[in-house]
Amino acid sequence: AQTVTQSQPEMSVQEAETVTLSCTYDTSESDYYLFWYKQPPSRQMILVIRQEAYKQQNATENRFSVNFQKAAKSFSLKISDSQLGDAAMYFCAYRASGTYKYIFGTGTRLKVLA
Amino acid sequence: DTAVSQTPKYLVTQMGNDKSIKCEQNLGHDTMYWYKQDSKKFLKIMFSYNNKELIINETVPNRFSPKSPDKAHLNLHINSLELGDSAVYFCASSQVRRLAPVSYEQYFGPGTRLTVT
Repeated sequence: AQTVTQSQPEMSVQEAETVTLSCTYDTSESDYYLFWYKQPPSRQMILVIRQEAYKQQNATENRFSVNFQKAAKSFSLKISDSQLGDAAMYFCAYRASGTYKYIFGTGTRLKVLA
Repeated sequence: DTAVSQTPKYLVTQMGNDKSIKCEQNLGHDTMYWYKQDSKKFLKIMFSYNNKELIINETVPNRFSPKSPDKAHLNLHINSLELGDSAVYFCASSQVRRLAPVSYEQYFGPGTRLTVT
């Protein structure tokens, strides 16, 4: 069965610094999609970044980038120049191509210190 | 122009009551989902419909019954509410498109916080 693991329940970062959130997954599929979602205190789930497994290039969205290591089944999120508004729960998610089910990790709570 | 909307956003009710949560998406997606997020923030998938057909039915008490009148709507009815049903319920939708505009992510509604007293 596919699983997604976020081993850091909580992380802290100083404002303007860089932080990396870890995510590993287990799958026997070769074609799949990976995502990072942000859930601020407002509880709205917001897509931060997505990555197709068939793409070797790491996805980037402004201050957010991923380090996708397919062989290691690792998908970490790097947040540069952290801002107070980045404080939230971050969820890593996986979806195998050809399926409908998304599998979420348990989340990492990110605190940003002023 | 809310993409995925849910009503109500807050629901407080007593044990034993029956309640419904409604979800609508205007993204033209074929697939819709219900998730339950507990107090530890764990997201658990409950149901999924694709073009009005039930395609995912996780281990959920049969007091929970989803209904999809059309592919833009997915409602959740809960009978005989229990204290343990207190949670945030999220509706989401998705559509896989490999050609531009590429899409395979889920879009979430704002959530419904259900409190059973």
